[in-house]
Amino acid sequence: DAGVTQSPTHLIKTRGQQVTLRCSPISGHKSVSWYQQVLGQGPQFIFQYYEKEERGRGNFPDRFSARQFPNYSSELNVNALLLGDSALYLCASRSGGGGETQYFGPGTRLLVL
Amino acid sequence: QQQVKQSPQSLIVQKGGIPIINCAYENTAFDYFPWYQQFPGKGPALLIAIRPDVSEKKEGRFTISFNKSAKQFSLHIMDSQPGDSATYFCAASSPNSGYALNFGKGTSLLVTP
Repeated sequence: DAGVTQSPTHLIKTRGQQVTLRCSPISGHKSVSWYQQVLGQGPQFIFQYYEKEERGRGNFPDRFSARQFPNYSSELNVNALLLGDSALYLCASRSGGGGETQYFGPGTRLLVL
Repeated sequence: QQQVKQSPQSLIVQKGGIPIINCAYENTAFDYFPWYQQFPGKGPALLIAIRPDVSEKKEGRFTISFNKSAKQFSLHIMDSQPGDSATYFCAASSPNSGYALNFGKGTSLLVTP
């Protein structure tokens, strides 16, 4: 079975631009979460979606937004990019309901110049 | 505010040694404690996880020890191998927040031949 997939793998943007990252969860999983991992740090929680509804939000500015589609895939959007947004963006898939285990994708490496 | 504190930041052991990584938490609502292994340029991969009603869990060469009263847990890697060289993250989550993961800052492990 395919694991969590993310696209693109790498992205270079300039300050002020907007970016959209995409994630497809493990088949049958209904919950998707997004995390930001700055170099040398642990991942930081951004959003969680379950059954197309936002179920949690971390301490990130409103420039960050996300949505989940009927097929449970998800997009993370970041507007007005700052240099500090350069990071590895990780998507994690969870079955939902009472399942607590999260499985991560390979991430999208974003560099903001 | 870091909800999970992890130590040490880095660790070097010889092949066959038993590296130990420690984590501590304050939020008593946490009831799920996974450990993830991450290689450079990859997403975190789930190693092993424990719930607070169990004091120890073993899976292959990896063992989690859990001390509920002290709010501490640790990862032991038995018979460590050079291929175990990676960054290890502890995490904690609770059903109150949809099992959004709170990560430690990570431990960079190097196993020398």
